[in-house]
Amino acid sequence: GAVVSQHPSWVICKSGTSVKIECRSLDFQATTMFWYRQFPKQSLMLMATSNEGSKATYEQGVEKDKFLINHASLTLSTLTVTSAHPEDSSFYICSASNGLNQPQHFGDGTRLSIL
Amino acid sequence: GENVGLHLPTLSVQEGDNSIINCAYSNSASDYFIWYKQESGKGPQFIIDIRSNMDKRQGQRVTVLLNKTVKHLSLQIAATQPGDSAVYFCFAGGTSYGKLTFGQGTILTVHP
Repeated sequence: GAVVSQHPSWVICKSGTSVKIECRSLDFQATTMFWYRQFPKQSLMLMATSNEGSKATYEQGVEKDKFLINHASLTLSTLTVTSAHPEDSSFYICSASNGLNQPQHFGDGTRLSIL
Repeated sequence: GENVGLHLPTLSVQEGDNSIINCAYSNSASDYFIWYKQESGKGPQFIIDIRSNMDKRQGQRVTVLLNKTVKHLSLQIAATQPGDSAVYFCFAGGTSYGKLTFGQGTILTVHP
């Protein structure tokens, strides 16, 4: 149980393109979803926390107009990287939780490469 | 988060040895802790969790120890196997602030 599916797993696109990444909880209702960014050999950096039906809470230094998050249902959250540039290339990972003190279950990440 | 942007420490062990991975957390209000394993190119996988009313919890080949006095968490892996090679992250959370904070990860390499 507690499977989180992230799609796509790999994206290559041109600079200036907007890219949408989906995160779905397949067998549980996720009241909260989290979006992380990870560079090679580094730890995960929390970008934002989203609760179903409300606006996402962004971490300091993360541009909310650049990284649009939508959490319209208890099983789906999306992250849209708008007007992506090469410096946005990274590994983006989502996680989902069904409670305040419950484990986060992670997707398998999306590798984004902007040319 | 803590230690964002820093390169991760490494631990190398021989197959069959026991491994101990350590984590320090800063918020004394933390009362729920999780260890995750992240293999290359994948998202983190849940290994084991522990709540603050316990100081030890055992799983299959893994044991988590919690020392609240010094705010320290450790993961012990018995008879380490090459398949255990991965990055290990600890997470600390609490009902008082409702968000998990991840600790610095450790790269574990198991040599056959």
